[in-house]
Amino acid sequence: GENVEQHPSTLSVQEGDSAVIKCTYSDSASNYFPWYKQELGKRPQLIIDIRSNVGEKKDQRIAVTLNKTAKHFSLHITETQPEDSAVYFCAASSMNRDDKIIFGKGTRLHILP
Amino acid sequence: SAVISQKPSRDICQRGTSLTIQCQVDSQVTMMFWYRQQPGQSLTLIATANQGSEATYESGFVIDKFPISRPNLTFSTLTVSNMSPEDSSIYLCSVNTGELFFGEGSRLTVL
Repeated sequence: GENVEQHPSTLSVQEGDSAVIKCTYSDSASNYFPWYKQELGKRPQLIIDIRSNVGEKKDQRIAVTLNKTAKHFSLHITETQPEDSAVYFCAASSMNRDDKIIFGKGTRLHILP
Repeated sequence: SAVISQKPSRDICQRGTSLTIQCQVDSQVTMMFWYRQQPGQSLTLIATANQGSEATYESGFVIDKFPISRPNLTFSTLTVSNMSPEDSSIYLCSVNTGELFFGEGSRLTVL
């Protein structure tokens, strides 16, 4: 089955700097890669996703890149703000096969004032 | 999008008892997913509930411990059986409509 590795487990960046979180996956059939943000006491919320037919996607301060050959994908947050502090999870799924989504272990992002 | 109602939102349970969590979706979906999130941990898939067939369990999870019902396309239940303190966790129902949506979760504390 799919296995998703995520690094780092904790990340602290100065407000205004960029943050990068990296993930690798094992199943070459995976074709959908979402990223979730979870604030304390709340459910995970989708912030951006990418499908295997593109290499990069951007939404304002957030971007995701995908390297299918190397089976890794990354989340980039630019101009970080205090409200970016949260736990971020990457995930991988083989849509059209079983649709189940497997999560990485998460990265706790701290934005320092 | 999908709106998912899950209950109970939280409960405190005694060791050895069982608790059933209910999940209601505002639209018909083929598959519903049950995840567990232990304190400070990631989301671990327990099983996939498909309407009209038995649930498919992930490695490490068994039907006797986590029986699942899926009587129709908008509803599912997960039972946590014979609970122990190790079962203290948040249990989340989710559906995939091209994007994975989560219910608010059920926080179980087992004493």
